Amino acid sequence: EADIYQTPRYLVIGTGKKITLECSQTMGHDKMYWYQQDPGMELHLIHYSYGVNSTEKGDLSSESTVSRIRTEHFPLTLESARPSHTSQYLCASSGDRGRGSQPQHFGDGTRLSIL
Amino acid sequence: SQQGEEDPQALSIQEGENATMNCSYKTSINNLQWYRQNSGRGLVHLILIRSNEREKHSGRLRVTLDTSKKSSSLLITASRAADTASYFCATEQGAQKLVFGQGTRLTINP
Repeated sequence: EADIYQTPRYLVIGTGKKITLECSQTMGHDKMYWYQQDPGMELHLIHYSYGVNSTEKGDLSSESTVSRIRTEHFPLTLESARPSHTSQYLCASSGDRGRGSQPQHFGDGTRLSIL
Repeated sequence: SQQGEEDPQALSIQEGENATMNCSYKTSINNLQWYRQNSGRGLVHLILIRSNEREKHSGRLRVTLDTSKKSSSLLITASRAADTASYFCATEQGAQKLVFGQGTRLTINP
């Protein structure tokens, strides 16, 4: 199993609150990703980073923001949560051995419910 | 727009039977990857097949890729109850960004 951790696993919180979802990996991977997944549906990339101080928006527009101050840490923040943000958020990382594509390693996700 | 589409959306078979899942995509790819997701968990990488490869094996898994038809298949032989999960194909078009299909929900009945 990969060493990538997400906290909290579950979060139920009221509308308007500021939320930070944590993601940490101990593999020294440069690339990290955030996906949003509704139950039984595909994953949508919302943010990614290719290294420290590098962040990009993904294919699905999201009101969340991310930061990458340290290689191992890639937190996602929602400044003011809304019910439409209710979903599962998955964090992933991948290395670069100089041989092209490498598989992504996923955390177990944060299931977020906004009341 | 969704890059990968999987078929069937759900599959239920008896333990010991083989399970086949298919994935179609729309644009040129660098590689195609298959992942498994158990209920309430993250995704686990199963196998990666590059665009210049046609077939790849890993244990009870066999993956084929037909770039002319823009399709791939995942075969799980001699299925077990522990294989019950959702299976996703993902295509990489560039810069190690993956686009996932909707997945196939596989149920293995004892």
